[in-house]
Amino acid sequence: SQKIEQNSEALNIQEGKTATLTCNYTNYSPAYLQWYRQDPGRGPVFLLLIRENEKEKRKERLKVTFDTTLKQSLFHITASQPADSATYLCARPADYKLSFGAGTTVTVRA
Amino acid sequence: NAGVTQTPKFRVLKTGQSMTLLCAQDMNHEYMYWYRQDPGMGLRLIHYSVGEGTTAKGEVPDGYNVSRLKKQNFLLGLESAAPSQTSVYFCASSGGGGLGNEQFFGPGTRLTVL
Repeated sequence: SQKIEQNSEALNIQEGKTATLTCNYTNYSPAYLQWYRQDPGRGPVFLLLIRENEKEKRKERLKVTFDTTLKQSLFHITASQPADSATYLCARPADYKLSFGAGTTVTVRA
Repeated sequence: NAGVTQTPKFRVLKTGQSMTLLCAQDMNHEYMYWYRQDPGMGLRLIHYSVGEGTTAKGEVPDGYNVSRLKKQNFLLGLESAAPSQTSVYFCASSGGGGLGNEQFFGPGTRLTVL
């Protein structure tokens, strides 16, 4: 089956450090991957999309990479702040839909 | 623009009762989706629609029905609620389906079935 997996449920880091989240996929090659942020009690919000022919995408302090050899996308939050504390979801396309990973909850300590 | 709105925000049902969740979007999006989110399970697609008058099953459709009579609205129905349907329900819309367009999510409906 075509799976998308985020390799850790929770990540605790100190303010100012870089958080690195992993999204792995198996048994297929997605044309793109999307990353979303979800705060408690709210719906997910789109952050970034990276296509298979793009090695890296940046948005402010966020950086996403896409390694088709390793079948993996890495999501980095640099110079992390307590306001970055949230759950981050990756998603792969599936026909007209998206299939989401379970998410990684990031907690940034002041 | 209000974006995607969901009604109600909270609801408590007894087993066997029925209810309808309403999703509305004002972005003229063709595609709309209903998800449920449970702890540790992530977002799971219940049903979706690729345009007015169309619906299709997602990953976990059993026990739910949907209708898309108007482009801006997507209704999710529970005919006979079960405790296993206790969850947070999210509606989303997208302008481009599987073409890389982002999905816009509503604030969610927290449903408890006793």
